[in-house]
Amino acid sequence: KAGVTQTPRYLIKTRGQQVTLSCSPISGHRSVSWYQQTPGQGLQFLFEYFSETQRNKGNFPGRFSGRQFSNSRSEMNVSTLELGDSALYLCATREGGSTDTQYFGPGTRLTVL
Amino acid sequence: GDSVTQMEGPVTLSEEAFLTINCTYTATGYPSLFWYVQYPGEGLQLLLKATKADDKGSNKGFEATYRKETTSFHLEKGSVQVSDSAVYFCALSDPNAGNNRKLIWGLGTSLAVNP
Repeated sequence: KAGVTQTPRYLIKTRGQQVTLSCSPISGHRSVSWYQQTPGQGLQFLFEYFSETQRNKGNFPGRFSGRQFSNSRSEMNVSTLELGDSALYLCATREGGSTDTQYFGPGTRLTVL
Repeated sequence: GDSVTQMEGPVTLSEEAFLTINCTYTATGYPSLFWYVQYPGEGLQLLLKATKADDKGSNKGFEATYRKETTSFHLEKGSVQVSDSAVYFCALSDPNAGNNRKLIWGLGTSLAVNP
């Protein structure tokens, strides 16, 4: 099976802009989670989608949003970008249900100038 | 709430040295425990996991034993290689959290292995 893919791999934006990141899960995986990784805060959970519904959410402001499509592909959007949003954004997928193990994509490196 | 504490890095070792990366956790109930590894420029890969007390997870020469009495899940390898240089993350998941289940992460420990 193909692994988790994320696009784009790198992005450079300026403050105030918005950005959309995409994640395509492993075939058959219905759960997609998003994480933000920064040197100071480590890995922080953003949200999880399962069958097109958000079922879990971390402590991030409303500028961070996401959605999932019927083919399980997911997008996350960050509006009104701030310098502190510069990070590696990781997507992780799993089959769903009671399965714990998550499989990660390579991440999207976002730089906000 | 649930939390994971890892030893701070960076850890620098010579090839063939013994590796231990400490991980302790705080959780109600009986979490599942994981070690993930992140190689430079890549996403995270599952290294090993354990789902109940006294379970030992192992993969690629790495081992970790779920110790409920000490709430620990220390990662060990008997002889490290240069290719093991990476960042290692300890994480837990509460299987009883149902749809609210998510991974709780340690901050990661950077390992550099010198030839």
